Amino acid sequence: GNSVTQMEGPVTLSEEAFLTINCTYTATGYPSLFWYVQYPGEGLQLLLKATKADDKGSNKGFEATYRKETTSFHLEKGSVQVSDSAVYFCALSDPSEDSSYKLIFGSGTRLLVRP
Amino acid sequence: EAQVTQNPRYLITVTGKKLTVTCSQNMNHEYMSWYRQDPGLGLRQIYYSMNVEVTDKGDVPEGYKVSRKEKRNFPLILESPSPNQTSLYFCASSSLGSRGLMSSYNEQFFGPGTRLTVL
Repeated sequence: GNSVTQMEGPVTLSEEAFLTINCTYTATGYPSLFWYVQYPGEGLQLLLKATKADDKGSNKGFEATYRKETTSFHLEKGSVQVSDSAVYFCALSDPSEDSSYKLIFGSGTRLLVRP
Repeated sequence: EAQVTQNPRYLITVTGKKLTVTCSQNMNHEYMSWYRQDPGLGLRQIYYSMNVEVTDKGDVPEGYKVSRKEKRNFPLILESPSPNQTSLYFCASSSLGSRGLMSSYNEQFFGPGTRLTVL
């Protein structure tokens, strides 16, 4: 079946440091890939997405490239800010497996950025 | 403002006492879904609905019921809550697109979450 694996957190960085959060996936079809962010006390918000191989999603300085050959969708940001502190979820949607259109999530990675 | 709302945001209850968590969206979305979030497990789908009067089980439906009598509302019902249902619950909604089809890349919009504790 489909699954998503994320690196364990928490990830603690100083402000302006470079961020990478690793995400790999297993899918039977041709999934779409997402990064969602959850700020403290809030629901999930879509950060970026990619719908086919080699697509690059980007938003708010974050980027992730859909790599079919390595089944990866790593999240990167060149210079993090304190306001980026949150939990980040990698997710996929692959309706070829069933018809539920559910998002399959990784376990989440907590990012803490220190001033 | 386009949004998904959930109520209550926090609930502490006791085993066996029936409860309902409400979910409402104002975006005229056909698709709605419930997830639960548990540490180390990410979010897992409980139930989903493709439209009014159309509901189906997700990955972890045991102990839950849903209904979809109106397009905007999708309540989650726990008939006899147990401690293993202590969790953070999220409702989500999405459109089906212009052809009335769900696309794998349609964004799902999430509510703020309901933290449920069952003693």
